[in-house]
Amino acid sequence: GQSLEQPSEVTAVEGAIVQINCTYQTSGFYGLSWYQQHDGGAPTFLSYNALDGLEETGRFSSFLSRSDSYGYLLLQELQMKDSASYFCAVSPGGYSTLTFGKGTMLLVSP
Amino acid sequence: EPEVTQTPSHQVTQMGQEVILRCVPISNHLYFYWYRQILGQKVEFLVSFYNNEISEKSEIFDDQFSVERPDGSNFTLKIRSTKLEDSAMYFCASSVGSTAGYGYTFGSGTRLTVV
Repeated sequence: GQSLEQPSEVTAVEGAIVQINCTYQTSGFYGLSWYQQHDGGAPTFLSYNALDGLEETGRFSSFLSRSDSYGYLLLQELQMKDSASYFCAVSPGGYSTLTFGKGTMLLVSP
Repeated sequence: EPEVTQTPSHQVTQMGQEVILRCVPISNHLYFYWYRQILGQKVEFLVSFYNNEISEKSEIFDDQFSVERPDGSNFTLKIRSTKLEDSAMYFCASSVGSTAGYGYTFGSGTRLTVV
């Protein structure tokens, strides 16, 4: 089976940097994805890592260490609109089916 | 920007009734999915669909569930005899490619309440 662990909640202030960690145990692994969800709405795709290292997309970066079964999402220059739930998800098989973690609620305060 | 459209946004049904949730994926996407999210919990995979057949399904997707692509645009999820525990937000998603790196585009969901 698959299991993913991420913190349930993280708080930060506007302008700060925050890191959301994700550790996983899977029977197979093709990559780690990150999705953002505002207030139970549609999850939106943020990033994907198949190889070790850092991927940067604007204010957001995502990191993967396959040997450590670990990844993180880094959010810089936090804005109020970044308050949302962030889910890591693994692709355990060759198809793009995803197994999601329980999500981390990020609260950004002024 | 292209989007995945789901209808209805809310559905209330009595236990034992059949429901059909509808989705219109993005037109050039080839891979379609249904996920569900019980309130406050994680997003759970139900089924994936490609080339007019199921590619993969989870343990949740039992004989009470079925999917169909009745025409070139719609993608439906049917629950034959709903149970209380089927109450959840159901998300349809589509993707242009077969690997997760392409990213899913999710619809806004259908909130199903079984009473």
